[in-house]
Amino acid sequence: DAGVTQSPTHLIKTRGQHVTLRCSPISGHKSVSWYQQVLGQGPQFIFQYYEKEERGRGNFPDRFSARQFPNYSSELNVNALLLGDSALYLCASSRLPSSEQFFGPGTRLTVL
Amino acid sequence: QKEVEQDPGPLSVPEGAIVSLNCTYSNSAFQYFMWYRQYSRKGPELLMYTYSSGNKEDGRFTAQVDKSSKYISLFIRDSQPSDSATYLCAMSVEGNQFYFGTGTSLTVIP
Repeated sequence: DAGVTQSPTHLIKTRGQHVTLRCSPISGHKSVSWYQQVLGQGPQFIFQYYEKEERGRGNFPDRFSARQFPNYSSELNVNALLLGDSALYLCASSRLPSSEQFFGPGTRLTVL
Repeated sequence: QKEVEQDPGPLSVPEGAIVSLNCTYSNSAFQYFMWYRQYSRKGPELLMYTYSSGNKEDGRFTAQVDKSSKYISLFIRDSQPSDSATYLCAMSVEGNQFYFGTGTSLTVIP
């Protein structure tokens, strides 16, 4: 079975630009969570979606938004990029919101 | 005060040693607990998932949850050089928003 996939692998943007990150969950998993991991820190929760509905939101500004599609894949959008948004963005999928979460390889975003 | 506290290490042990990794937390409502292993520049890999208190064993790994002390542990038996990585603990109240520790860096020396 394929694991969680994320695209792109790497991304370089400049301040003020917009970025869209994509995630495909494990087959049969209906919940997707997004995390931001800054170098040397643990992942920070951004969003969780289940059955296309937002189930949780972390302490991130409104520049961050996400959605989940009928096939359970998900997008994370970040507007008006700041230098501090440079991080590894991780997607995790689970069968249910409270089930084990399996992470993808991440998208490394660099904002210049 | 952070929700989850984890000693960043680094921790260095000889091959074959028993490794003990720990996290403490402040929110007594946490009831879902997970341990992950993360190699450099990779996504975290799930090692253990437990609900509420008690012990869980899987191969060389044992996870313990002590809710009365707000303390969780991961033990690695017969440690191998391939276990060298950063270990992350994570916990949640309802299973939707997980709080992670900062990670403990482990090196197993051959």
